Amino acid sequence: QKEVEQDPGPLSVPEGAIVSLNCTYSNSAFQYFMWYRQYSRKGPELLMYTYSSGNKEDGRFTAQVDKSSKYISLFIRDSQPSDSATYLCAMSDPTGNQFYFGTGTSLTVIP
Amino acid sequence: GAVVSQHPSWVICKSGTSVKIECRSLDFQATTMFWYRQFPKQSLMLMATSNEGSKATYEQGVEKDKFLINHASLTLSTLTVTSAHPEDSSFYICSAPPAGNYNEQFFGPGTRLTVL
Repeated sequence: QKEVEQDPGPLSVPEGAIVSLNCTYSNSAFQYFMWYRQYSRKGPELLMYTYSSGNKEDGRFTAQVDKSSKYISLFIRDSQPSDSATYLCAMSDPTGNQFYFGTGTSLTVIP
Repeated sequence: GAVVSQHPSWVICKSGTSVKIECRSLDFQATTMFWYRQFPKQSLMLMATSNEGSKATYEQGVEKDKFLINHASLTLSTLTVTSAHPEDSSFYICSAPPAGNYNEQFFGPGTRLTVL
């Protein structure tokens, strides 16, 4: 079983839709959860960073962590064509010595 | 946010040659940097951890003699792919944690290596 599972998509939505991206994980030691956005041929860009369980909101983006279910989500409201990218979840244990990425979900927002 | 640069952004080389990729933290010091490799439609795979002033730590299955890492200063780490072969063609990305916060990595733009 992989440490982090993420549906690769591709996911295609119309502009203005609410997008839900998800990852599951198996290691209960993970405490830090990140979402990265990666445009084609570019390095990943940190979008959201949360610690332990709960929600965190930043503009149109909301990150949720449910440690009891080992499940994290990223919601994008009022999606825009500029949101078209690959979204990678990542997580690590408290030491930061174990740092795992999901495979990424490819998102296309259609104007 | 913190800025990490990589150079070159794209390199093509002949099989058997060596290629050096630089990773720089532009506005912060990084005692640790990480090197990743990403194949098309796959996730980032950690190759090694670069430590300033000491030897790099390699992940299982990564040949340290093939992927030479030098962390010469607090703002520069280099990855040298020695005797490159076509199977080494990939997207190489570095990252650095600002202020030692390993859970908040800032990534470079990546270097696309094509070995002919």
